[in-house]
Amino acid sequence: GQNIDQPTEMTATEGAIVQINCTYQTSGFNGLFWYQQHAGEAPTFLSYNVLDGLEEKGRFSSFLSRSKGYSYLLLKELQMKDSASYLCAALDSNYQLIWGAGTKLIIKP
Amino acid sequence: GAGVSQSPRYKVAKRGQDVALRCDPISGHVSLFWYQQALGQGPEFLTYFQNEAQLDKSGLPSDRFFAERPEGSVSTLKIQRTQQEDSAVYLCASSLGDGQILTDTQYFGPGTRLTVL
Repeated sequence: GQNIDQPTEMTATEGAIVQINCTYQTSGFNGLFWYQQHAGEAPTFLSYNVLDGLEEKGRFSSFLSRSKGYSYLLLKELQMKDSASYLCAALDSNYQLIWGAGTKLIIKP
Repeated sequence: GAGVSQSPRYKVAKRGQDVALRCDPISGHVSLFWYQQALGQGPEFLTYFQNEAQLDKSGLPSDRFFAERPEGSVSTLKIQRTQQEDSAVYLCASSLGDGQILTDTQYFGPGTRLTVL
């Protein structure tokens, strides 16, 4: 079966760094997306990785290891507005997105 | 506003009532997706259109759910004889659909929160 695993909830301090992990098992693989979703709002695109390695985009970076079926999202210099759910989604061989349940990130002052 | 829009934003229905949820995708986007999202969960795929063609409806939970996109732009998700378990947020997303994965990034609408009493 197809499965995406990520922690349910994480807590971090304003100004700190946090890493949100995601492991995936899919029928085929065409890349890994990270989306941010604030409560009551739509998911918004953060990053896409298809090759192994780290992609950096400002305060956010995303890493992929295809051989390990593993990705992480790294958030630096945390701000209160980063409090949200972070959704990991893998694109399978049919180009269908398989979603994780999301990681709720709580930022404390 | 060039984003995906959905209406209504909130819908309360009595059990057994029919509902229709509307999605206006980003202009020019070929692909359109419907998802169901329960509280605290990730989106669950319902159905997918490329232009007016419904290419995948494997995620529709029952024959009470029906989606259409007759002119390849606006789409409607209809739920007949609503049940309490249909209560969820229904998200619509669109993508350019030109075959390039990064530009196939899905852009989501704000969702319709359906509550069935």
